[in-house]
Parts: sequence; C-alpha cells; structure tokens
Amino acid sequence: QSVLTQPPSVSGAPGQRVTISCTGSSSNIGAGYDVHWYQQLPGTAPKLLIYGNSNRPSGVPDRFSGSKSGTSASLAITGLQAEDEADYYCQSYDSSLSGSSVFGTGTKVTVL
Amino acid sequence: EVQLVESGGGLVKPGGSLRLSCAASGFTFSSYSMNWVRQAPGKGLEWVSSISSSSSYIYYADSVKGRFTISRDNAKNSLYLQMNSLRAEDTAVYYCARDDSEWGYFDYWGQGTLVTVSS
Repeated sequence: QSVLTQPPSVSGAPGQRVTISCTGSSSNIGAGYDVHWYQQLPGTAPKLLIYGNSNRPSGVPDRFSGSKSGTSASLAITGLQAEDEADYYCQSYDSSLSGSSVFGTGTKVTVL
Repeated sequence: EVQLVESGGGLVKPGGSLRLSCAASGFTFSSYSMNWVRQAPGKGLEWVSSISSSSSYIYYADSVKGRFTISRDNAKNSLYLQMNSLRAEDTAVYYCARDDSEWGYFDYWGQGTLVTVSS
C-alpha cells in the first residue's frame, strides 16, 4: 500500500493540458522532501521526467512541468501528444519508513 | 553512456532463493548509491532496497526485510540482490537504478529482469 496517492487514470485530447496529482502526508511531501516524477512507456523501464519538484533533466520537453504545495505535488502535461500515453509515477522519501523511498500508486495517461 | 544491465531472474519455487546481479558501466560506480525497484505484473513500482556508495548504509522495504540482502562490489562495478524465502508475491520485474544521492531521485534504470515465484 503506497503512501503517495495518485488518480488511477487521466485522459485528454491531443493538444490539451492534463494534470496528475500526488497526495502524501506530513511524513513525506509535507515534511519538505522533494518529489520526483517518472514516465513509463509500455514494456519499458521508467524514465526520470521531473526531479526536485520542478526540474527537468536534459532532453525532457518543456511540455512537462512539476510543482509542489503542502502535502501534494502535481505533474502537468501541456500540448498533449500521442507519445505521452504512458504510466506516470511520483516518488519521494518518507521519514516514517526508515531509509525508504516511496512511489506513488501510478497514473495511466490516455490520449483520446 | 551509462548502462545498467540486470541478470539472474527466472522461475523459482516458493521458499527458494535467487541472486540478481546488475552490471554497471559508463560512470564511476563507486561514487553512487544504488537501488532495487520492482514491479509486479500489471502493478505499480515498489522500492525494494538501497545501498550507499561504500555499503555503509543499507535499507530495505518492510516487505522484504529479513529475506533479501543487497550488496555491491565496487571493484567489479556490480550490484546484487540475494533473495531468500521467496513468495508468490515477490513475482515481479526487478530493476536496478542509480541514485542521485543529493536529491534522492533515480536517474538511470536497467531494463529489468523477471522473477517468477511459482510451484
């Protein structure tokens, strides 16, 4: 049972904007720990998409952006494209689970 | 180019053991913490274990504590996961992932190796 909750699915038409929430608690996101986001295309390993709440690694399009507030974080995809159809996971650290990284429950993004 | 290549997966009976390996190249392996992350079929990601660059700090998820042992050999640029007392619920693709120790994110992942626990 993950301590970071995401919506199971979100969808949008090409060109639209979608957002994915990642809801935590006072022992993880709310404690100030950074949130990172990963994209997992079908049949492949996860790929780092956003680190440190809002930073994009080299090569990640600026259509992807991240934010954090209180006990939650969000990933936004603007100008949705067909190749964005994938699973997305948030990740943080939880102080109640010694040494533990924790992942969100995951969100499937469908491009209509 | 950073590469992480897992091996050692396969079919094992409940209660059995398996040792996974992850061969690293393209970076100074001894400078980075490393992790194992697993994904059960059709399910989400689950962090399994982490080990610091010099093996001084080791952590496990509660679900595997006491059954799995993470280790590394910096001379061989290799990461390992010894899995004992395997259960059906350990069936998953196991990924090794490099840890950016400052920020805590996983910047490089291997392709994964499938472990199936079944009689």
